[in-house]
Amino acid sequence: KQEVTQIPAALSVPEGENLVLNCSFTDSAIYNLQWFRQDPGKGLTSLLLIQSSQREQTSGRLNASLDKSSGRSTLYIAASQPGDSATYLCAVRLVETSGSRLTFGEGTQLTVNP
Amino acid sequence: KAGVTQTPRYLIKTRGQQVTLSCSPISGHRSVSWYQQTPGQGLQFLFEYFSETQRNKGNFPGRFSGRQFSNSRSEMNVSTLELGDSALYLCASSLQSSTGELFFGEGSRLTVL
Repeated sequence: KQEVTQIPAALSVPEGENLVLNCSFTDSAIYNLQWFRQDPGKGLTSLLLIQSSQREQTSGRLNASLDKSSGRSTLYIAASQPGDSATYLCAVRLVETSGSRLTFGEGTQLTVNP
Repeated sequence: KAGVTQTPRYLIKTRGQQVTLSCSPISGHRSVSWYQQTPGQGLQFLFEYFSETQRNKGNFPGRFSGRQFSNSRSEMNVSTLELGDSALYLCASSLQSSTGELFFGEGSRLTVL
């Protein structure tokens, strides 16, 4: 059974700091990994999608890496801003015999202080 | 381009009742999946539909069911509601079933009293 773990569970940093969020998964036979952010009471916003054949993806101040063999992904946020405060979730897509499903981690709650 | 639309956004039901939630995917997306989010269990997969066929089902009791229509819109139904069904129900759509990026709606928050 695929398990996804995110460390740390919560993180508080001053504005402007660079930071790294970690995600690990137990089954390396994945199709892809996706990072999301969730604001309180809201749905999930897709940040980055990394296919299993890729090593990293970048979007603006965000960079996500994937090491499938070791079952790890990191989300790097450069020059953090108060607007980055949210819960960040990673999810892996394990293709089963029919269809596919996302398995989510518990999330990292990020607070960026002005 | 409109995103994933879920209705209703909020609803309150009592135990024993049933509820139907609706999801309209992004135009052109044929895959729709549903997730339940609770503080204790996090995000858990309910089911996935592609071209009106259920392709995958999570580990939920038979009280949870769903369907997809020919226009890719999807509904999920929960019968005989229990207090533990209180949750945020999220719908996601993607262009492709297996490898596509998932886009989520704002969710339907269900409270069971």
